[in-house]
Amino acid sequence: EAGVAQSPRYKIIEKRQSVAFWCNPISGHATLYWYQQILGQGPKLLIQFQNNGVVDDSQLPKDRFSAERLKGVDSTLKIQPAKLEDSAVYLCASSFRGVAQGDTQYFGPGTRLTVL
Amino acid sequence: GESVGLHLPTLSVQEGDNSIINCAYSNSASDYFIWYKQESGKGPQFIIDIRSNMDKRQGQRVTVLLNKTVKHLSLQIAATQPGDSAVYFCVTNAGGTSYGKLTFGQGTILTVHP
Repeated sequence: EAGVAQSPRYKIIEKRQSVAFWCNPISGHATLYWYQQILGQGPKLLIQFQNNGVVDDSQLPKDRFSAERLKGVDSTLKIQPAKLEDSAVYLCASSFRGVAQGDTQYFGPGTRLTVL
Repeated sequence: GESVGLHLPTLSVQEGDNSIINCAYSNSASDYFIWYKQESGKGPQFIIDIRSNMDKRQGQRVTVLLNKTVKHLSLQIAATQPGDSAVYFCVTNAGGTSYGKLTFGQGTILTVHP
């Protein structure tokens, strides 16, 4: 079974530029999550989708971050414009249903973003 | 106590020893607890989970203990191997919500010396 795919693996941009990350979850997984992991910290949930609907985006900085999962499969996370403090690893995870059902979240390898 | 930023708790053990990683959580409403392992350059990997109606669960070489009274979770790794070297996160859910948002702790660095 293929795991969660993410691209690119690394991205370096200058502040105020835009960047987009792509995630393809495990086939058949209804729930998709985006996390931000700052160096030395645990991942922090940014947004959770159930199929193509947003379940929780309470920690997403909506003035600069956006995410979509239009067909309920793959997803993109965008930052526009980027700030220095956005430097982090952006992790995508998926689960068959959701945590409340006791389903394990499987993580992709992440995209390491450096904002200069 | 709580550490911030790069000052993660660390644990160094010799290969073959047993390891115990501890975690204190604060949300008394949490009812689902997970341990994840994260190796350098990789995403977190599920190790084991436990629900609040249990106080112990065993997997292959790993055991999770839950003490809800003092809000404490521990991960025991038997016969630790160099491949176990990683950052270990205890993760809790929000409890009482439909979709169980997960909160990751800051992590503990485990280093296994051959």
